[in-house]
Amino acid sequence: SQQGEEDPQALSIQEGENATMNCSYKTSINNLQWYRQNSGRGLVHLILIRSNEREKHSGRLRVTLDTSKKSSSLLITASRAADTASYFCANTGNQFYFGTGTSLTVIP
Amino acid sequence: DAGVIQSPRHEVTEMGQEVTLRCKPISGHNSLFWYRQTMMRGLELLIYFNNNVPIDDSGMPEDRFSAKMPNASFSTLKIQPSEPRDSAVYFCASSFLAGGETQYFGPGTRLLVL
Repeated sequence: SQQGEEDPQALSIQEGENATMNCSYKTSINNLQWYRQNSGRGLVHLILIRSNEREKHSGRLRVTLDTSKKSSSLLITASRAADTASYFCANTGNQFYFGTGTSLTVIP
Repeated sequence: DAGVIQSPRHEVTEMGQEVTLRCKPISGHNSLFWYRQTMMRGLELLIYFNNNVPIDDSGMPEDRFSAKMPNASFSTLKIQPSEPRDSAVYFCASSFLAGGETQYFGPGTRLLVL
């Protein structure tokens, strides 16, 4: 498959804890993006990190990128129940591949 | 802006029937994407357009699927004849540019073929 893969497939944490999701991809990237999908909804863009960047922050989100390992991670700090969703990494440069997703459940 | 608009939101049809899904991208966006999402295969790109021209349709499963973009504000994805294995959620997304830009997704059309 050309798709990336997220790890873990499912994650359950208590509200206030941090959540870390990892993404491995197979093809070269221009940039890598993270999206969130609430149940029954379309995907919503969270953050984009370019291939020449190693780390990026946006609010409670922190994304890292290691192009030598073809991997990225998304950290959500101080999680909230509203963060419950599926999270996808995506290679949307020259190609358009979405990962398999991590299902995050934040327990109030 | 209303965002990407898709219709219908839900479609139930019988095998062999023609299905037409519709999408209105965000005004000013030059690229439009059709995706299919299933539990088994995840989110797959079917086809994308740039300035109304199909650029890559390698993800279209077979000849039963066709997509058009007659103008910058409208696209259709047609399945004829439909089969039960086509049951999925179909998303339309648009972006300002094709390469590497943020994609804005519609709410999806949930298709069930009986």
